[in-house]
Amino acid sequence: AQTVTQSQPEMSVQEAETVTLSCTYDTSESDYYLFWYKQPPSRQMILVIRQEAYKQQNATENRFSVNFQKAAKSFSLKISDSQLGDAAMYFCAYYGDYKLSFGAGTTVTVRA
Amino acid sequence: NAGVTQTPKFQVLKTGQSMTLQCAQDMNHEYMSWYRQDPGMGLRLIHYSVGAGITDQGEVPNGYNVSRSTTEDFPLRLLSAAPSQTSVYFCASRIDPAQPQHFGDGTRLSIL
Repeated sequence: AQTVTQSQPEMSVQEAETVTLSCTYDTSESDYYLFWYKQPPSRQMILVIRQEAYKQQNATENRFSVNFQKAAKSFSLKISDSQLGDAAMYFCAYYGDYKLSFGAGTTVTVRA
Repeated sequence: NAGVTQTPKFQVLKTGQSMTLQCAQDMNHEYMSWYRQDPGMGLRLIHYSVGAGITDQGEVPNGYNVSRSTTEDFPLRLLSAAPSQTSVYFCASRIDPAQPQHFGDGTRLSIL
């Protein structure tokens, strides 16, 4: 089974500031996909961003961007201009061999 | 569009009881999965299916059965409920293995 590690159980950020969530993974594959999902208190799982391993360019979605370092097997998420609505648990996920493996999650708190 | 529909949303069982968690999607997705979410552990894959009539085990399959008789439905059966199966269960589907998953709203299951 693939291993996805999120080393930060909790992160706190001031509104309008930037926060970076770390994620590392273990794989022997060269072709795979990485995702960040957001889970607010409503329990819904919401896709934030997706990265294809064969693409060197880092994915960006509005205020969310990733720093994908394939050799280091690192996939961090940067949230810029943080908003109160960004408060949630964030999960990093690795897709390969038909299976999606999740990290343990990072709880993000946004201070007004 | 309904997307992925899970029923029930909440359920309390006694140890030893059996039950089926229902999952239906109306997007004609071939790929469907069941996850459980426990505190501090992210989402773990229970079983998955790559099409009607085809299922396979995930990371934590013990105590659960699945079947996929139609493209739309992917029920998860607990054979003899145990307190260790207290969790939040998510069903997800996707059209292509590498595409983001669409998640249901989850079922909170408590086993006494």
